[in-house]
Amino acid sequence: DIQMTQSPSSLSASVGDRVTITCRASQSIRSYLNWYQQKPGKAPKLLIYGASNLQSGVPSRFSGSGSGTDFTLIISSLQPEDFATYYCQQSYSTDLFTFGPGTKVDIK
Amino acid sequence: QLQLQESGPGLVKPSETLSLTCTVSGGSISGYYWTWIRQSPGKGLEWIGSVYYSGSTYYNPSLKSRVTTSLDTSKNQFSLRLRSVTAADTSVYYCARHPWITDYGDSYNWFDPWGQGILVFVSS
Repeated sequence: DIQMTQSPSSLSASVGDRVTITCRASQSIRSYLNWYQQKPGKAPKLLIYGASNLQSGVPSRFSGSGSGTDFTLIISSLQPEDFATYYCQQSYSTDLFTFGPGTKVDIK
Repeated sequence: QLQLQESGPGLVKPSETLSLTCTVSGGSISGYYWTWIRQSPGKGLEWIGSVYYSGSTYYNPSLKSRVTTSLDTSKNQFSLRLRSVTAADTSVYYCARHPWITDYGDSYNWFDPWGQGILVFVSS
C-alpha cells in the first residue's frame, strides 16, 4: 500500500498569511496527487488534481506542485473561508486509493 | 450542477448488512466511475470501492470480502452493501463521482463532487 503523510498536522495562521502544506508518499506516485479541503460537518471538496491542476471554480490563491514523492499545497494569501482541514490523496495505485491524515488550518 | 445525496439507515446492528444508496441529480450516471468513501475519527478518510457505469467494480482489498457496489442507470443511483458490520464500521459514508481523464498517456482521476455524507452507527 502507498502511505501518505502530511506536515504539519495542524497550523495556526492569520488572514493574509502564505500557508504551505506538505504531503509525502511512501513511493513515487508521479503526479497522481489530489488535494481536498474539508470544513467541519461538510464533505471534502476537490481543490487540485494531478498535483498542480486547479479544479474549476477554485480560487487562484490555491496552488499545488511536486512530483514523485513530495508535494506541496500553497495558499498564497489566507482568507477567512480557508480555515479548514486539507487532505492529500494519491490516485496512482488503482488497487487502493489512499488519503493523507490531514492538516488542520486554524486561526492564530 | 451535479449533486449527490446518500440515503439509508443511520443505525445498523452488528453482524448485519449496511445498505446505502446514492442518488445523482443534475447529470447522468453514464460514462463515469462512482465511488464510496468513509470517514471515521480513528481511521480518517478511507476509499471503499468504485463502480463503473457499465457495472465493473473494484474495491479496497481490506473490505473486498464484505463489499458490493452496484448501480441502476434507470434511477440514476448507485448503491453500497457492506456485510457483517462491526462497531469499527461506524463512520460517515460519502458517495462521489470518480472522473478519469487521459492526458498524454497519464490517466488522472479524482473524487468530485461528493455527497453531503451520512452517519451510520453500528450498535445493538
